Amino acid sequence: DAKTTQPNSMESNEEEPVHLPCNHSTISGTDYIHWYRQLPSQGPEYVIHGLTSNVNNRMASLAIAEDRKSSTLILHRATLRDAAVYYCILRLGAGTASKLTFGTGTRLQVTL
Amino acid sequence: EAQVTQNPRYLITVTGKKLTVTCSQNMNHEYMSWYRQDPGLGLRQIYYSMNVEVTDKGDVPEGYKVSRKEKRNFPLILESPSPNQTSLYFCASSPLQGSSYNEQFFGPGTRLTVL
Repeated sequence: DAKTTQPNSMESNEEEPVHLPCNHSTISGTDYIHWYRQLPSQGPEYVIHGLTSNVNNRMASLAIAEDRKSSTLILHRATLRDAAVYYCILRLGAGTASKLTFGTGTRLQVTL
Repeated sequence: EAQVTQNPRYLITVTGKKLTVTCSQNMNHEYMSWYRQDPGLGLRQIYYSMNVEVTDKGDVPEGYKVSRKEKRNFPLILESPSPNQTSLYFCASSPLQGSSYNEQFFGPGTRLTVL
């Protein structure tokens, strides 16, 4: 599996934007970039995914570099509820379910 | 409410005493999976199932069994638990097609301690 690299931790102030980076220099052409997050004492939850183009949904935006070797998850206005571990995951292909290979993620702290 | 449920949420047991952790989903998903989460190792897949009566090993299947007799249920069985199976376990499900096939839905977790 292609590997992702994320900072261990980041901090943000409430109501400010947060940019969570992910490097995936060995990504293949068929790998999708997925982001999940895990709130304290909960199971992971899906945030967003993309292949080549930038993506937006109600939770976040995903900016993908032109060469696809890195991506950034953007939380537009962080709240205390966004404090979680964020995982950047490369997932093979589309159309069929496949396992998610979680790394150690980025622990995001949000302060008042 | 669409959800994945796991029972029990917490379990303390002793070495060798067979146990089953249940997982159920109400979203009619074909794909179901079990993960374990350990400090410093992230989540690792134990077993998965693409549909009823179709199961396969993940990355760390040793010491575990699963079954998929019904679409909604995917129990994890530890025939003879050992202390190295002390972990936090998550069940997940997803559809194999449709608008949300890329999204896996996770249960709340089962914290297992084997003494």
